[in-house]
Amino acid sequence: DGGITQSPKYLFRKEGQNVTLSCEQNLNHDAMYWYRQDPGQGLRLIYYSQIVNDFQKGDIAEGYSVSREKKESFPLTVTSAQKNPTAFYLCASGETSGGSYEQYFGPGTRLTVT
Amino acid sequence: RKEVEQDPGPFNVPEGATVAFNCTYSNSASQSFFWYRQDCRKEPKLLMSVYSSGNEDGRFTAQLNRASQYISLLIRDSKLSDSATYLCVVIGRSQGNLIFGKGTKLSVKP
Repeated sequence: DGGITQSPKYLFRKEGQNVTLSCEQNLNHDAMYWYRQDPGQGLRLIYYSQIVNDFQKGDIAEGYSVSREKKESFPLTVTSAQKNPTAFYLCASGETSGGSYEQYFGPGTRLTVT
Repeated sequence: RKEVEQDPGPFNVPEGATVAFNCTYSNSASQSFFWYRQDCRKEPKLLMSVYSSGNEDGRFTAQLNRASQYISLLIRDSKLSDSATYLCVVIGRSQGNLIFGKGTKLSVKP
């Protein structure tokens, strides 16, 4: 089965702790993305990576970090520096060549920080 | 002007109705446009890409008006299962960088 997996589905953390969200894809896509969605808001881009060992900040990168050591994997760390970490986190992958820029999403991780 | 704007709705329609959503975008250089569907507490799923000539997929028709910088989605013969939030998406400043609208909520009633 091809697709994008995110784990865990729900995550609870205490304030001040770093937490890492997993994202894996077996679609052989070059590009991967992390978004955050808050209630009643659109998706906002946190980080993206168009190739292994390279990534760029999105619109709201502060308080987050990523790595892209393998094509299949793009984990996101929510650090204690992120002021409002409670949100729905969505990972996506897609191609950026050939004129097709569609992105496909994983099921998401709901992070609650108290 | 916001990068991508949509009427938030909700649009409450009876089964069988035809409903249309519009979306405006600010970047005149945008080349790629999409409609995604998002069910409550789920991830967005690609509904259809929007091509310059317009495109149709069953009961769904997408149109692009570059001169006025808006995209539309028409749903004919609405089904209960069409109830969801519809997200308008436009390519941002760099290729592959998608800008999402906040979505339009559709509720189809029996």
